[in-house]
Amino acid sequence: GQNIDQPTEMTATEGAIVQINCTYQTSGFNGLFWYQQHAGEAPTFLSYNVLDGLEEKGRFSSFLSRSKGYSYLLLKELQMKDSASYLCAVRGGGTYKYIFGTGTRLKVLA
Amino acid sequence: SQTIHQWPATLVQPVGSPLSLECTVEGTSNPNLYWYRQAAGRGLQLLFYSVGIGQISSEVPQNLSASRPQDRQFILSSKKLLLSDSGFYLCAWWRDSGYTFGSGTRLTVV
Repeated sequence: GQNIDQPTEMTATEGAIVQINCTYQTSGFNGLFWYQQHAGEAPTFLSYNVLDGLEEKGRFSSFLSRSKGYSYLLLKELQMKDSASYLCAVRGGGTYKYIFGTGTRLKVLA
Repeated sequence: SQTIHQWPATLVQPVGSPLSLECTVEGTSNPNLYWYRQAAGRGLQLLFYSVGIGQISSEVPQNLSASRPQDRQFILSSKKLLLSDSGFYLCAWWRDSGYTFGSGTRLTVV
């Protein structure tokens, strides 16, 4: 079957670094995406990995290992506004569809 | 510019009433369009996707339907709403760099 797992909830302190992990099992692979979703709002795109390695974008970085079916999103210098849910999504091979994880709710404390 | 519009933002409907949610895309042609639902505390569930006018693929059996009457228009409908249809409905447009989501419709069936 196809499955994506990520922790339900995480808590971190303002200014710290947090790593949100995502493991996946899909039939085929055409890219892994991370989205940020604030409460009551639509998800917004954060990052995209299709090859192994680290992609850095300012305070946010995303890592992918296709052989391990594993990704993580790294958030540095946490700010209060980073409190949100972070969704991991995988696009399977030969499809127009994504599979979304249930999201990780991150709480940033002062 | 390329934009996606979704309305209404919120909707409270009685059980058994009909539903029509509309999504339009501007600034592009022949977009791949999607309807997702996000129930409270759960991940995004793909409901329908469309790769062109009149082409609808249904992912989950339910009392919802979708139509693509025009290239840039995607409509989600129901003839009779159920309590279980409550949720956050998101229209999405697939682009090479991932999904762009509409602002979402919060539907409460009472």
